[in-house]
Parts: sequence; C-alpha cells; structure tokens
Amino acid sequence: DSGVTQTPKHLITATGQRVTLRCSPRSGDLSVYWYQQSLDQGLQFLIQYYNGEERAKGNILERFSAQQFPDLHSELNLSSLELGDSALYFCASSVVSVAVGAYEQYFGPGTRLTVT
Amino acid sequence: AQTVTQSQPEMSVQEAETVTLSCTYDTSENNYYLFWYKQPPSRQMILVIRQEAYKQQNATENRFSVNFQKAAKSFSLKISDSQLGDTAMYFCAFMKPSGDALNFGKGTSLLVTP
Repeated sequence: DSGVTQTPKHLITATGQRVTLRCSPRSGDLSVYWYQQSLDQGLQFLIQYYNGEERAKGNILERFSAQQFPDLHSELNLSSLELGDSALYFCASSVVSVAVGAYEQYFGPGTRLTVT
Repeated sequence: AQTVTQSQPEMSVQEAETVTLSCTYDTSENNYYLFWYKQPPSRQMILVIRQEAYKQQNATENRFSVNFQKAAKSFSLKISDSQLGDTAMYFCAFMKPSGDALNFGKGTSLLVTP
C-alpha cells in the first residue's frame, strides 16, 4: 500500500458525459501528479499540482482540468468524454521542495475509466 | 524533451535465474533521477529502485540492482534469483531534479516461469 488513495476504482460512463476522479496523497506530500495509461499512448503525464497551485502541465486535453484543495487532495475532471478517453488514470504524490529537491513518486491504485 | 527507450517489449526468465532489462534515455540535463517501476497484473505501479545521476555508485535494493552508465545514457535493471512474483511490466522512467513529470518508457513485459 503506497498510502495514496484514489476513488472510484472503476467508472463506466457514456460519451459526452463528465466525471470527476479523486486522489488523496500520502501524508506530508505536497505534490500531486496525474497520469493516463492507455494501450496506444502508454503512460503519459497530465498535470502536477504543488501545495494547491499548478506547477507543470503535460499532454492534458482542454476538456480535462484538475485542482488541488487546501487539504491537499486533488480532483481530475474529465468532460465531453470520448471513447478514446478510456484508460487507467493514476494519481501519484511526492515530497518536493526547493531546498531538498525531488523525490520518488508513489502511485495510487488508479481509476479505470470506460467510456461507452 | 527527454525520451526513454526500452528496446525489449517482452522477456522471459526461469525461476532463480538472473535477467537484465535495458533502458536508454536521451537528455541534455546533467543532473536528473532515474527510476524503475513495476506494474504487476493488479495494475498497481510499484517503485522498484531509484538512481541519482550525480551518484556514481549503482543503486541496489535486495535482489534488484542497476547498471547506470551516464556517458552512454544507459540504465539497466538486473533482477537476481527471479521469483514468480516478479512477473510484471517494468517501466524505466526519467525525472528532472525540479520534480515535475516522470517520463516513462513503453515498458518491458517480464514473465518468470517455473
């Protein structure tokens, strides 16, 4: 158990709909990352938040958005869903500081999204 | 952008034997971090080992060790005394010291047979 939790574990929805994925980081970790794992694209970085603020952006579609709340949990919102959005979505957390530098990222169990 | 290449899509090894998984990367950075993650059939991403580029000594974690060749931009993973539970997809990943994205390779599927 990495200490990172994600809900829900599975999500089945129809095209055009909107869903919200939730992530709680490990205790003490200020940084949260979202990744998408699909068969054709592999593991891709979507977005990073650090202590409530967006820090880095990857290949995240405009239909997708995220935020990190004061209690450090994060949500990934996916809207106008398409069949191609079906994937495993991972959240990871890490201790990151300017003084100490970067540390390894610990992954949650993932949310499997199926768009029908 | 940093790219990570895993040239072996699939590998197989017998229980108790040793296997080496290859990884090369491309970067202009001088300092960075490299990781191996394991993804078993449960799909959980599990950190196996970490290497800082400024450290010359190769990292070791129990049966897992790396061969880090900075000049060659190579970062291979050696699994000794392979166990059935090592069956998984293994991903090599690169991260800049700023601590943003992990850049993953496409993975190597390892099967450990009895």
